[in-house]
Amino acid sequence: GENVEQHPSTLSVQEGDSAVIKCTYSDSASNYFPWYKQELGKRPQLIIDIRSNVGEKKDQRIAVTLNKTAKHFSLHITETQPEDSAVYFCASKEGYSTLTFGKGTMLLVSP
Amino acid sequence: DAGVIQSPRHEVTEMGQEVTLRCKPISGHDYLFWYRQTMMRGLELLIYFNNNVPIDDSGMPEDRFSAKMPNASFSTLKIQPSEPRDSAVYFCASSWALEGAYNEQFFGPGTRLTVL
Repeated sequence: GENVEQHPSTLSVQEGDSAVIKCTYSDSASNYFPWYKQELGKRPQLIIDIRSNVGEKKDQRIAVTLNKTAKHFSLHITETQPEDSAVYFCASKEGYSTLTFGKGTMLLVSP
Repeated sequence: DAGVIQSPRHEVTEMGQEVTLRCKPISGHDYLFWYRQTMMRGLELLIYFNNNVPIDDSGMPEDRFSAKMPNASFSTLKIQPSEPRDSAVYFCASSWALEGAYNEQFFGPGTRLTVL
């Protein structure tokens, strides 16, 4: 089955800095890669996703890049703010399979 | 729509007791998922349903766990008997589809289960 590795497990940045979280996947047939944000004590919520037919997608301060050859994808957050502090999960799936999640990255943004 | 609804939000029970977690998916969603979240293992899929029919229960850890979906608006996850290692946050999620533009999964608020 699919295996998703996520790094780093924790990431501390200063407000205004950029943050990058990386994930690798094992199944070359995977074609859908969502990112979920989970604030402390809250539910995971989708913040951005990318499909295998594109290499990059942006939404305001967040962006996701995909390298299918290397089987890795990354979340980029620019101009970080304290409210970006949360646990971020990457996931991947192929066609009609279910999502496989990474273990999560705890992002701490210090004012 | 109120989103995915789960109850109870917190459950504390003693080892050996039966625990029942409840979920109401978003109206119109055909897929319902049950996940377990722990620090050690992250988010694990336990089982999912399509149109009330269980499709894949390979993630259910053992026979002590069972799940049902008697109708499109209600599902339960039951643990009997419960053990301390079952302590976790259990999330229910639903989606319109498994593939394509409408496959986003919407999560409920979760049930934090503590088994003493």
